[in-house]
Amino acid sequence: QQPVQSPQAVILREGEDAVINCSSSKALYSVHWYRQKHGEAPVFLMILLKGGEQKGHDKISASFNEKKQQSSLYLTASQLSYSGTYFCGTENYGGSQGNLIFGKGTKLSVKP
Amino acid sequence: SQTIHQWPATLVQPVGSPLSLECTVEGTSNPNLYWYRQAAGRGLQLLFYSVGIGQISSEVPQNLSASRPQDRQFILSSKKLLLSDSGFYLCAWTPWIANEKLFFGSGTQLSVL
Repeated sequence: QQPVQSPQAVILREGEDAVINCSSSKALYSVHWYRQKHGEAPVFLMILLKGGEQKGHDKISASFNEKKQQSSLYLTASQLSYSGTYFCGTENYGGSQGNLIFGKGTKLSVKP
Repeated sequence: SQTIHQWPATLVQPVGSPLSLECTVEGTSNPNLYWYRQAAGRGLQLLFYSVGIGQISSEVPQNLSASRPQDRQFILSSKKLLLSDSGFYLCAWTPWIANEKLFFGSGTQLSVL
């Protein structure tokens, strides 16, 4: 079951904040977040494994609400380099280990 | 350190022609291997995954097939390409242990004309 990401696209000015959500209709075992620049391979951001877990590095962080079957990615004080498409990948309980189902992505554009 | 190689980077093929994309991983043993496809403006769709030599699981029935002739080699093939096969193909690997991130290759942009 493909997770649903929202919003589909967002435009920010440098320094503004953004939140990207990822929801699943099935119980989640883990959530991965990746960022992809146009024409390039996705780059890993973080994995969340436990309900209630929060992680972050630099000004990008994420939370995992296992009960609500959703995760959110927080981008604070956005920089031009944050532009790209963000994908969440989910692993469901009962699914094949390590096989991620990705959402359709959220396109983030940061303007000067 | 581990590296993943995927080639070619771009490919233009006529409808009905065969396809072979190759992916190799270096610096690790017994990796899980994956083929993903990304159509223009779409998300990443898992096509095949493999947990060992000769072991291939298909996630989506289609015109494509995959093979793993060696531990660190993964090949995506088609006997006859369709227009709908166009897209960005990504090979990826994870360590055999659980809960590890995906390491993606640089991708192949396939255009079927």
